[in-house]
Amino acid sequence: QQQVKQSPQSLIVQKGGISIINCAYENTAFDYFPWYQQFPGKGPALLIAIRPDVSEKKEGRFTISFNKSAKQFSLHIMDSQPGDSATYFCAASKGTGNQFYFGTGTSLTVIP
Amino acid sequence: GAVVSQHPSRVICKSGTSVKIECRSLDFQATTMFWYRQFPKQSLMLMATSNEGSKATYEQGVEKDKFLINHASLTLSTLTVTSAHPEDSSFYICSAISGGNQPQHFGDGTRLSIL
Repeated sequence: QQQVKQSPQSLIVQKGGISIINCAYENTAFDYFPWYQQFPGKGPALLIAIRPDVSEKKEGRFTISFNKSAKQFSLHIMDSQPGDSATYFCAASKGTGNQFYFGTGTSLTVIP
Repeated sequence: GAVVSQHPSRVICKSGTSVKIECRSLDFQATTMFWYRQFPKQSLMLMATSNEGSKATYEQGVEKDKFLINHASLTLSTLTVTSAHPEDSSFYICSAISGGNQPQHFGDGTRLSIL
């Protein structure tokens, strides 16, 4: 059973546009929601993370929006750049030091 | 920032060979390390959780005799794929945390190809 559902599977965005990736979870015990960025042949790198006590977190061009009642969270990439082209994974866990449940990934392509 | 180094980055070997993959935390002590397997264009699948000085906890369906994990120090964990076969070909990734309230930091993965 997929604990975290992620959509879309792939996304193509024009340079300068906004990329939006969505995730949903079922387990209300989850309290840590990170987003990871992965380039081909590399391991995932932590991009940004949020806890359920806030509804939004912004770091540079990256924003997480969190809807606790709907059990959904999303990643927004503003002013998308070709260098943002990568696979993005959302994840959820009970605390940061425990097992992560990953979404299925979104392949983002930003075209010039 | 926290750096996790994984070695080797790529291995190509014959069927029946045992392969050891190392995962090191370079600038922090890792109380816990995780081992993942990732198939092309798919998500990361947790194989096992390893705590320093104790036996690894394997996920359901992962053969512990096939995938031997050792976490002998606070900076090193190893995954040995014993008697590897072509179906073991995959991208193996480790991650590490420095404490209970810290995020996971991932290595760059090991591409294992069994001929």
